[in-house]
Amino acid sequence: GQNIDQPTEMTATEGAIVQINCTYQTSGFNGLFWYQQHAGEAPTFLSYNVLDGLEEKGRFSSFLSRSKGYSYLLLKELQMKDSASYLCAVRDQTGANNLFFGTGTRLTVIP
Amino acid sequence: DVKVTQSSRYLVKRTGEKVFLECVQDMDHENMFWYRQDPGLGLRLIYFSYDVKMKEKGDIPEGYSVSREKKERFSLILESASTNQTSMYLCASSGGGPGELFFGEGSRLTVL
Repeated sequence: GQNIDQPTEMTATEGAIVQINCTYQTSGFNGLFWYQQHAGEAPTFLSYNVLDGLEEKGRFSSFLSRSKGYSYLLLKELQMKDSASYLCAVRDQTGANNLFFGTGTRLTVIP
Repeated sequence: DVKVTQSSRYLVKRTGEKVFLECVQDMDHENMFWYRQDPGLGLRLIYFSYDVKMKEKGDIPEGYSVSREKKERFSLILESASTNQTSMYLCASSGGGPGELFFGEGSRLTVL
């Protein structure tokens, strides 16, 4: 089976940096995804990691350590519009290669 | 611009009614999925399809069925709606590349 754990809520200040952690246990790891979901809207794809290391995409970066079953999403120069839920999802080869989602981290950016 | 369209944003149904949720994608994707999203439980996979006429059960298929008669369309059916099926339903599709999911706007279903 799969187990994905991430903090339920976080608060950070506009202009700051925030790191959202995700730990996972899965029998057939085949990639990790981060999604952003604003309240009342659909999730949108942010990043994908399948090898160890850091992937940078503008203000957002995502890190993966497969040996530790650990990933983080790093948001720099926070803006008010970054207030959203951030979903960590793991692809599992033993689960027909489908994505399994964590419960999400609700980030609130304050002035 | 890629698009996944769900037929209804908000629905209110009564217990025992049959409910159809329609989803259409314009990206020529092979793979389509239905999830439900509930507070504290995250997204859970109900059914998925990797090809026309093909369907596979996800993690919580009980009380649901699906239909994929055309590549672009994937329908979720609640044969007899119950109050515990009140939820947000999200349709998604995926194609090449890393296989990221493209989601529709969601259908919020309330069963009274």
